[in-house]
Amino acid sequence: GDSVTQMEGPVTLSEEAFLTINCTYTATGYPSLFWYVQYPGEGLQLLLKATKADDKGSNKGFEATYRKETTSFHLEKGSVQVSDSAVYFCALSNNAGNMLTFGGGTRLMVKP
Amino acid sequence: DAGVIQSPRHEVTEMGQEVTLRCKPISGHDYLFWYRQTMMRGLELLIYFNNNVPIDDSGMPEDRFSAKMPNASFSTLKIQPSEPRDSAVYFCASSPGTGILNTIYFGEGSWLTVV
Repeated sequence: GDSVTQMEGPVTLSEEAFLTINCTYTATGYPSLFWYVQYPGEGLQLLLKATKADDKGSNKGFEATYRKETTSFHLEKGSVQVSDSAVYFCALSNNAGNMLTFGGGTRLMVKP
Repeated sequence: DAGVIQSPRHEVTEMGQEVTLRCKPISGHDYLFWYRQTMMRGLELLIYFNNNVPIDDSGMPEDRFSAKMPNASFSTLKIQPSEPRDSAVYFCASSPGTGILNTIYFGEGSWLTVV
């Protein structure tokens, strides 16, 4: 079945550092890929998405590129802020089924 | 436009009691999902509906859990009787459709504690 694997956290960075959170997937067909963010005490918010190979999703300085050859969708940000501290979830949706399969989440902590 | 609305936001109940969680999806969305989040198991899909019809309930833990969607703007997740291991955050989510419309939008969650 479909699955998503993320790097385990927590990831601790200083403000303005470069961020990479790795995500790889296993799926049949051509899924859509997502990054969701969960701030403390809140629900999940869609951060960005990509629906086909080589697409780049971007939002709020974050970006991720759909790499079919490596089945990856790594999240990057050039300069993190304290306000980026949250849990980040990589997910895929098999377009036929419309269900999200989540990775385990990666907690990011950014220190001033 | 209002997002997915869940109630209650927080619930503390005693073991054996019935718990009902409620959800109002985004207007016009055809799909509704119930997820559960725990530290041990992460995010799990419990059940989802398409046009008010349950499509896949294979994630529902056991017979103590039931979900209904009587109309396009309301769904409930019921636990009867509740047990301490049901303590979790329960998220409702909705999406407009499949394919390029398959973005799923989450509510803020119902934080359940069973003591």
